[in-house]
Amino acid sequence: QPVVTQPPSVSGTPGQRVTISCSGSSSNIGKNSVYWYQQFPGMAPKVLIYRINQRPSGVPDRFSGSRSGTSAALAISGLRSEDEADYYCAAWDDSLSGPVFGGGTKLTVL
Amino acid sequence: EVQLVQSGTEVKKPGESLKISCKASGYNFISYWVAWVRQRPGEGLEWMGNVFPHDSDTRYRPSLQGQVSISADKSINTVYLQWTSLKASDTAIYYCARGGDVTAMDWFDSWGHGTLVTVSS
Repeated sequence: QPVVTQPPSVSGTPGQRVTISCSGSSSNIGKNSVYWYQQFPGMAPKVLIYRINQRPSGVPDRFSGSRSGTSAALAISGLRSEDEADYYCAAWDDSLSGPVFGGGTKLTVL
Repeated sequence: EVQLVQSGTEVKKPGESLKISCKASGYNFISYWVAWVRQRPGEGLEWMGNVFPHDSDTRYRPSLQGQVSISADKSINTVYLQWTSLKASDTAIYYCARGGDVTAMDWFDSWGHGTLVTVSS
C-alpha cells in the first residue's frame, strides 16, 4: 500500500501563514500531479488545488500549492477562522494504479 | 451545474447485501470517470475504484477487488457501489466523485454529499 504522509495537525493565528506538508514517493508525488482537498466537518471534500499549483475558480489566492521532489506543500496565507478544516493531499500512484490520499491534516485557527 | 445526488443512509447487518447509488446531472455523464471514495469514522479518504460510464470500464483498488462491485447505468446517469456480504469494517461514509476533467482519474472536481453506511449486528 503506498503511503503519503501529512502532519495530523497544524495551527496558526489569524493573519498568519501556515504550511501543510505532504510526503510521498517516486511512484506518486515524485512523478505525478498533486491535488489538495479541503473538508469541513460533516461535509464532502472540495478541491482546493489541482495539478500542483492551480486554483479552481472561486478559491482565494491565499491558497497555493508547490512540489519539490517527492514532497508537496499547501500554503495558506492571511489565515482566517473559516479556514479551519481538514486538508488532504492526493496524487496518482503508479503502483496502486489509482489516486492515493494523505492521511489528512486538521488545521486549527487559534 | 454539476450535481451528484447520492442515496440515503443505510443500516445493515453483517452478511447482508447492499447497493448504493449516485445520480449525476449537469454534464455529459458518459465522458467522465466517476469514483467511489470511502471515509471510515474519524479517518481519512480512501479511493475504492472508478467507472467510465461510456463503456463501463471499471478499475478497483487492488485490496478491494472482489469485495465490492462498481457499475454504471448510462440510461439513467447513475453509478452504483454494491456489496454482496457486508462486514462491520465497511461502516463508513461513501462519496461518489467526478473526475476533474474528461479522461481524468487522478482527481475529483465534484463530489456527492456522501452516503453513511452502518454495519452492525
